[in-house]
Amino acid sequence: GAGVSQTPSNKVTEKGKYVELRCDPISGHTALYWYRQSLGQGPEFLIYFQGTGAADDSGLPNDRFFAVRPEGSVSTLKIQRTERGDSAVYLCASSPPWDPETQYFGPGTRLLVL
Amino acid sequence: GQQLNQSPQSMFIQEGEDVSMNCTSSSIFNTWLWYKQEPGEGPVLLIALYKAGELTSNGRLTAQFGITRKDSFLNISASIPSDVGIYFCAGQRQGAQKLVFGQGTRLTINP
Repeated sequence: GAGVSQTPSNKVTEKGKYVELRCDPISGHTALYWYRQSLGQGPEFLIYFQGTGAADDSGLPNDRFFAVRPEGSVSTLKIQRTERGDSAVYLCASSPPWDPETQYFGPGTRLLVL
Repeated sequence: GQQLNQSPQSMFIQEGEDVSMNCTSSSIFNTWLWYKQEPGEGPVLLIALYKAGELTSNGRLTAQFGITRKDSFLNISASIPSDVGIYFCAGQRQGAQKLVFGQGTRLTINP
C-alpha cells in the first residue's frame, strides 16, 4: 500500500515569506506527527494529531508555526514570516490505531529559506 | 531540543564485519525503536522494542531494550554494502506519543 506522502519534496523561499507543507498519511492511520530534522541531527518533535485535534503541540518552536488537520486525514504545516533558521527537513509520520507506538515516516520536505 | 545520547557518531568498517551501536538516556522510556535513514529519504523503522530486557531480531539485525529502560542496543551482523546509512534510536515515554531521537550513527562500509 502507499506510504506517507509529503509535498512539495523541496521548497525554496525568501526570508519573511509564508509557506505551507502538506502531509498525506497512510490510509487508516489516525495519528499524525510532524518532526523537524536539521542537518546532522535526529528528528525533533513538533506536533501530534489524534484525529482532527492537536493532542500535543509542545514542540512547535514559536507562534510562527501552526498545523491543521481539518478532516482527520491530510495535514498542513504552516510557517509564517520564515527565517533562515527554519531551513530544515520537515518530516511527517503516521501511526495506526492498532499499533500506536509505531510511527511510519514520509520522505520529508526540504525547506530552504534564503 | 532533548535528544538521546547515541554512540558512536560514525563507523567505518569492512564488509562482513559486525556492527554495534547504542543509545542511552537519563530518563526511562517505555518503547525503544531503531530507524535507518538514507539520503533524501525519511527514517524507515527497523525494530520496535516494548519491554525491558526484550531482545528482538529482524534478519541480521538484533536490538535489545535495556533492563533499566534507559538504554538500547542495535547489532548488525555480517554487514553488507546496503547497510550503509544513518541509524537512529528513538524512545517513547509512557503516556506520550512523541518520539525522542538520538543524534544518529553514520555507517560507512568499505567493500
